[in-house]
Amino acid sequence: DVKVTQSSRYLVKRTGEKVFLECVQDMDHENMFWYRQDPGLGLRLIYFSYDVKMKEKGDIPEGYSVSREKKERFSLILESASTNQTSMYLCASTVQTNTEAFFGQGTRLTVV
Amino acid sequence: QKEVEQDPGPLSVPEGAIVSLNCTYSNSAFQYFMWYRQYSRKGPELLMYTYSSGNKEDGRFTAQVDKSSKYISLFIRDSQPSDSATYLCAIRFLNAGNNRKLIWGLGTSLAVNP
Repeated sequence: DVKVTQSSRYLVKRTGEKVFLECVQDMDHENMFWYRQDPGLGLRLIYFSYDVKMKEKGDIPEGYSVSREKKERFSLILESASTNQTSMYLCASTVQTNTEAFFGQGTRLTVV
Repeated sequence: QKEVEQDPGPLSVPEGAIVSLNCTYSNSAFQYFMWYRQYSRKGPELLMYTYSSGNKEDGRFTAQVDKSSKYISLFIRDSQPSDSATYLCAIRFLNAGNNRKLIWGLGTSLAVNP
């Protein structure tokens, strides 16, 4: 079974902190994605990566950055956390030519 | 106009009912259609996918695509309390080289009552 693992289920951080969310997949997938999910707004793409060291902005990249140093790991960084970044964060991966996205269990981040 | 429209519900039905969940999309270039199920406090998981007009069945689930109307549906027969979840439609271009992004509906929250 494909496994996408996010480092934390729940996180509470203070405003202004630098926050790292880690995602690891074990199926050698080329593409990896970071989404946030909010009630009434659905899934919104923050960043995605189709290869090591490659990244592309999604629909809402402001306030975020990403890092992909190894194929299996994709990190989301909140440079200076703000309360409007309180959300559920979901990581996903896909094979190059396949469409099925495999999701991690999500990280519920609260910024206080 | 949003690229994908999906009524968020909530939808509440009695056990055993037939459930119909729907999405409309605006770009006729989209050719790959998926339904995901998301249980509370979990990530979405793929239920079904199709790239052709018509019906595709998998057990109690049927995915229907009408490309002429740009309308996709998911039917659940003999619904069970375990089907209570949020159902998200997702669409994309057929060829991965064109665009690797999935376009997501907002999701419809379904509750099946015993």
